[in-house]
Amino acid sequence: NAGVTQTPKFRVLKTGQSMTLLCAQDMNHEYMYWYRQDPGMGLRLIHYSVGEGTTAKGEVPDGYNVSRLKKQNFLLGLESAAPSQTSVYFCASRVAGETGNTIYFGEGSWLTVV
Amino acid sequence: GQNIDQPTEMTATEGAIVQINCTYQTSGFNGLFWYQQHAGEAPTFLSYNVLDGLEEKGRFSSFLSRSKGYSYLLLKELQMKDSASYLCAVYDSWGKLQFGAGTQVVVTP
Repeated sequence: NAGVTQTPKFRVLKTGQSMTLLCAQDMNHEYMYWYRQDPGMGLRLIHYSVGEGTTAKGEVPDGYNVSRLKKQNFLLGLESAAPSQTSVYFCASRVAGETGNTIYFGEGSWLTVV
Repeated sequence: GQNIDQPTEMTATEGAIVQINCTYQTSGFNGLFWYQQHAGEAPTFLSYNVLDGLEEKGRFSSFLSRSKGYSYLLLKELQMKDSASYLCAVYDSWGKLQFGAGTQVVVTP
């Protein structure tokens, strides 16, 4: 998972608190993605970005906001955390226009909301 | 939007062959990935198909039919370490990358 770093790796939040997850990549990738993964399930797309300053909604965007002010960073925000947002969050990045094994994942961020 | 369907779980014996099917519906198809994921880890790339046909990589092969919206991953000579979740993911021409719910493969001795 070299090149994509997620912080923090672990966090416990109380219901109603806010927090931001940071995804940073140093590969000059255009595309970046935020997913959540719940037990026994696949990755569900929250938001994604196809370039600096642009974001788009995925399958499960409610309760989350994102920003891509700098090309290398993609931030995922929880304004008012809810227990339903307890999950593992994965960030990924990709170069636009390439094919094959060109998607790089972060190691995941474990978030618990109590 | 995208609909990606794959079976929830499959069980097979060590040394056997297992085929995991994936069907999808998407506009602007631009490629299909297969990933392996062990519990608590990030997905690991297995294969990528963008044209129809079979791609073979050692014990793993992947097939794509764009007209049918269908792909499969074939795992041969199963080993215990192949017990994992296998994820099908579809990439569209607007940069969106979505995953199926995953197929848990259990390899038994």
